[in-house]
This record gives sequence, structure tokens and C-alpha cells, in this order.
Amino acid sequence: AQTVTQSQPEMSVQEAETVTLSCTYDTSESDYYLFWYKQPPSRQMILVIRQEAYKQQNATENRFSVNFQKAAKSFSLKISDSQLGDAAMYFCAYRGYGNKLVFGTGTILRVKS
Amino acid sequence: KAGVTQTPRYLIKTRGQQVTLSCSPISGHRSVSWYQQTPGQGLQFLFEYFSETQRNKGNFPGRFSGRQFSNSRSEMNVSTLELGDSALYLCASSLVQPSTDTQYFGPGTRLTVL
Repeated sequence: AQTVTQSQPEMSVQEAETVTLSCTYDTSESDYYLFWYKQPPSRQMILVIRQEAYKQQNATENRFSVNFQKAAKSFSLKISDSQLGDAAMYFCAYRGYGNKLVFGTGTILRVKS
Repeated sequence: KAGVTQTPRYLIKTRGQQVTLSCSPISGHRSVSWYQQTPGQGLQFLFEYFSETQRNKGNFPGRFSGRQFSNSRSEMNVSTLELGDSALYLCASSLVQPSTDTQYFGPGTRLTVL
């Protein structure tokens, strides 16, 4: 079975600075997708960024980028120029052949002004 | 385009009762997945429906069931409620199938079992 591990229960960052959230996963599948979702206190889960495993290029969405290391099974999220609105729970998620999302335990990101 | 909607947003039930939750996917989306979110177990996959057929099921007891209608709206039902069923239930829709398309989540239904 696939597993996703987020080893940082909580992280803090100063406004305008950069923070990196870690995620590792375990799978024997060769084709899969990886995601970062954000869940603010309002509870609406929002897609932040998506990475296809067959793509070597790291995905980027404005201030959000990933460092995808397929051999190491690592998928970290970098948030640049952090803003107060970035404060939320961040979930790393895996989707393989089973068509279901497997989530990590989440990382609470606090942004200090 | 309207997002995924879930009704009701909040629900309080007592042990032994049953409950039905509803999810309306984004217009044009045909796949609906359900997840349970609890502080102890995190986010866990319940099941996925596509074209009115259940295609995948997670490791939940038979008390948890669902269905999908021809307009892609989905309902999930929990019978004989237990205290441990208290959770946020999230619905997610995708265009054709979750294997290639991104899943978009609704706001969730907060179920409290007393």
C-alpha cells in the first residue's frame, strides 16, 4: 500500500520569507501523481500544485514550487514571499493506479507578521 | 463555474441513527469521491463513483454506502451511527476520472454523533 509521510507537524515563517514543507512517499508504482492541497481554517480544501511523476520538470504555480525527487521519493513544497493568507494546513497527497488520494498527516503553516 | 457543493454543512445525530449527505459536483464533472477527515485518522478515502457506478472503495464497514445519480450528484449514507463516525466528510469531483484529472473539493459536511 502507498503511504505519504509529512514529518513536520507545524512550521512557522515570517511574512515575505520562504518556507519549505517536506513530504516523502512510498510506492512501487511507476506512474502516479503528487499533489499539495491547502486547507485554511474555513475547511475548504484547495489545490495548490500538482506534479506528474513522468515529468522531470518541477511544477511551479506563481509563488509555489515543488522539488520532486523521484528516486528519493521526495516531494517538497516551497512557498516564496509568504503571505498571511498562506496560513493553513497543508496536505501532501499521492494518487496512483487506485484512483484514490492518499494523504499525509498534514503540516500546519503559521505566518508571522 | 460553481464549485463543488455539499449539503448540509453541519449535522448533529445520535448514536444508532442514520444520515444521508449530498454532494453536487462541478458542472461537467462525472467522477465523485468521498473522504472522511478526523483528527485521529486524518483523511481517508471512502469511495469513488463514476457514471453511477462505484469504482473504488476504501476500508470502511458496510454501514457506509453511497450512490451516484444520472446528473452526477452523489449521496453517501451512514447507517447505525457510532460516536466514531463524527468527522468532516469531504466530497471531491473530477472531470472524467481521478486517475488523470485533478480532484476539486467541496467545503465538507461536519457530522457530530452524540
